[in-house]
Order: sequence, then C-alpha cells, then structure tokens
Amino acid sequence: DGGITQSPKYLFRKEGQNVTLSCEQNLNHDAMYWYRQDPGQGLRLIYYSQIVNDFQKGDIAEGYSVSREKKESFPLTVTSAQKNPTAFYLCCSSDGGTGNTIYFGEGSWLTVV
Amino acid sequence: AQRVTQPEKLLSVFKGAPVELKCNYSYSGSPELFWYVQYSRQRLQLLLRHISRESIKGFTADLNKGETSFHLKKPFAQEEDSAMYYCALKPYTDKLIFGTGTRLQVFP
Repeated sequence: DGGITQSPKYLFRKEGQNVTLSCEQNLNHDAMYWYRQDPGQGLRLIYYSQIVNDFQKGDIAEGYSVSREKKESFPLTVTSAQKNPTAFYLCCSSDGGTGNTIYFGEGSWLTVV
Repeated sequence: AQRVTQPEKLLSVFKGAPVELKCNYSYSGSPELFWYVQYSRQRLQLLLRHISRESIKGFTADLNKGETSFHLKKPFAQEEDSAMYYCALKPYTDKLIFGTGTRLQVFP
C-alpha cells in the first residue's frame, strides 16, 4: 500500500519529553520529507532529505531534528523545544526529478499533554 | 519566493454542479504542479499532475503560465468527490510546496 510506513499512528507524550516518529520506505526513493498538517494551515514542511546522510530544514524546522543514515529510513524527533507539538505528522518519499511520483504515509497523530 | 495559494478553505456545491478549485503559484522557473486529494480517513494521494495532461475521476487541471494558475475543474460534481484537495508545486530537484488546501463538500 504505497510502500511507506509511519509509526506509531497515535502517540501521547508528556510535555518536556522528546519523541521520535518513524518513517520507513521500501520504494528505493532518494528523497524523503516530513510535513506537519494543522487545520486551516495545510501542509508545512519540517525537514527534507534528497540523499542519504544529507538533509535540509524546511519552513518550520525549529524544535525538530532528523537523521538519514539509511536510504529507507527518515525518523523525525520532536524535541521539548517545539512549542506546539500536538499535530498530525506526514512523511512522504519520492524518486526525485521531473515527473516524479510522491507517496505518503498514513500519518502519525502526536498529542502532548 | 516559491509559494502556492489556494484562496478557498471551503467550497460547497450540489451534486451535478460544476466545480473549480483555485490554485495560484509563485515560481520563476518552469513549474511542476500537482493536485493531491485526501478522502476521509485515507492517506494523501496524487490526483493528477500537469505534465500528464490527463483526466482523473473526471477532474482536469490546465497550467496557465500567464496567470500562474493551475485550477482543478470538474463539470459535474459527485458526492464521492467530497475531500480535502491540495495543490502542490515542485521546483526541479527541490522540496514539494503545498497550498493550504480546499475542502470540497458535495451535497446530494
């Protein structure tokens, strides 16, 4: 079903704790992205990676961190520095270049209490 | 700056009515544009892309470089078209930029 898996689907954490969201793909895609989806604000880019061992900040990177040690994996850590972490997080991947197709994960709901 | 604008947060129509979801973009190069759709309780999925010049589920979208627009159209809306629609811009080899989305409600 698209070959991209996010986990967990639902996550509750206490304020002040770091939490890591997993994103794995078996599509052999070079590029992977993390977006945050909030009502009325659409999808905002947090971080993206176009190749292993390289990643760039998106529009709202503050309070987040990522790594790209393997092609198939792009985990996102929501740190305690993120002021409003409760949100729906979407990961996607693409093969890059003109006419590329982008596949989305099912998303992860993070609630910080 | 590269940007995608979807001016309508909500668009409500009756079944059988024409639909046009607006999308304007800001990009100095040759754009690669997409429409994505998210049905209730489903993951975001590609609806169509401008380079394919295709019609999917009765929807079409034409790139107008003069007006920097990529509006999504369907002549006769169906109830199953109710969903969240996102317009997206992808500069070559760069990040995918989404608009804020338009929720389409089709009433019977």
